[in-house]
Amino acid sequence: KQEVTQIPAALSVPEGENLVLNCSFTDSAIYNLQWFRQDPGKGLTSLLLIQSSQREQTSGRLNASLDKSSGRSTLYIAASQPGDSATYLCAVFSDYKLSFGAGTTVTVRA
Amino acid sequence: DAGVIQSPRHEVTEMGQEVTLRCKPISGHNSLFWYRQTMMRGLELLIYFNNNVPIDDSGMPEDRFSAKMPNASFSTLKIQPSEPRDSAVYFCASSLNANEQFFGPGTRLTVL
Repeated sequence: KQEVTQIPAALSVPEGENLVLNCSFTDSAIYNLQWFRQDPGKGLTSLLLIQSSQREQTSGRLNASLDKSSGRSTLYIAASQPGDSATYLCAVFSDYKLSFGAGTTVTVRA
Repeated sequence: DAGVIQSPRHEVTEMGQEVTLRCKPISGHNSLFWYRQTMMRGLELLIYFNNNVPIDDSGMPEDRFSAKMPNASFSTLKIQPSEPRDSAVYFCASSLNANEQFFGPGTRLTVL
């Protein structure tokens, strides 16, 4: 069974600082990895999708890397803003299903 | 595109009542997923359809839960009878060929 772990569980940074969110998974036989953002009481918004053959994916201030052999992915958010405050979820797609981590809750202080 | 549509957005019901949650996937997507989110267990996959056929329902908690997808544009998740421990947020998601999944806004279910 795929296990996904996200560290840290919570993070508080001053505005402008770069964010580094970590995700690890136990089974490297994945199809893809997806990062989501969830605001309180809301649904999940897809941020980035990395296929298993890719090493990284970028969208604006967001960059996600994937090291399948070591079972790790990292989400970098450059120059954080208060609007980046949310919970970030990592999800690994394998065996036809997404397995989610518990998320990292980010607070960006103005 | 309107994205994945779910209804109702909120549902409050009493224990023992039947609950039906509805989902309209993104047009053209051929995979549909039902998830449940709770504080204790996080996000869990309940069932996965591909081309309207249930592929994996191993996450369905028990026989009280059932899901159908009569056509490519509609799916239901039914709980009968409902219990307080079913209280959670239920999400529907869709994708094309098991790629990027797009989630609906969710249905917040409260069973009293």
